Amino acid sequence: DSGVTQTPKHLITATGQRVTLRCSPRSGDLSVYWYQQSLDQGLQFLIQYYNGEERAKGNILERFSAQQFPDLHSELNLSSLELGDSALYFCASSETSRGSEAFFGQGTRLTVV
Amino acid sequence: ILNVEQSPQSLHVQEGDSTNFTCSFPSSNFYALHWYRWETAKSPEALFVMTLNGDEKKKGRISATLNTKEGYSYLYIKGSQPEDSATYLCAFDNYGQNFVFGPGTRLSVLP
Repeated sequence: DSGVTQTPKHLITATGQRVTLRCSPRSGDLSVYWYQQSLDQGLQFLIQYYNGEERAKGNILERFSAQQFPDLHSELNLSSLELGDSALYFCASSETSRGSEAFFGQGTRLTVV
Repeated sequence: ILNVEQSPQSLHVQEGDSTNFTCSFPSSNFYALHWYRWETAKSPEALFVMTLNGDEKKKGRISATLNTKEGYSYLYIKGSQPEDSATYLCAFDNYGQNFVFGPGTRLSVLP
């Protein structure tokens, strides 16, 4: 158990809908990262938050947004969902903003039908 | 577009063999290189974070080296065991504040 909690574990929704994925980081970790793993693709970095502020941005679509709350949990919002958004979404957390080990949650499997 | 490559793509070794694989990354704007171990149906597990040229890190039978000038890192596993079977990922962290993962090396250790 990494100490990073993601909910829900599984999510099935229809195209055009909006969903929110939630991540609780390890106690004491200030950074939260979001990653996407689509079928037959590697891990893609989406976005990082550090202590409530956006810290780095990867290949995140405009339909996707994230935030980190004062209690340091984070949410990833996916809207106007398309079939191609079906993927495993991982959250990871680390102590610092850069250069420290990141601990991954178990992921949320999103299926868009 | 930042390109991170790993080789080989997959590897089959016998139990007890030692093995190594490579991660290649851009040598400019380097900040850190991360190695992860990812078992099927689990989440990636951090192995090492390497930041300095010439860094060598070790965790049990697994070790890694880093050459930032030429843009590569090696991961070594000594005396492979079946439980080492996993995909080994490297991730390049650059000053552009982006993380780029390599495609991974899939290791199978046969008993």
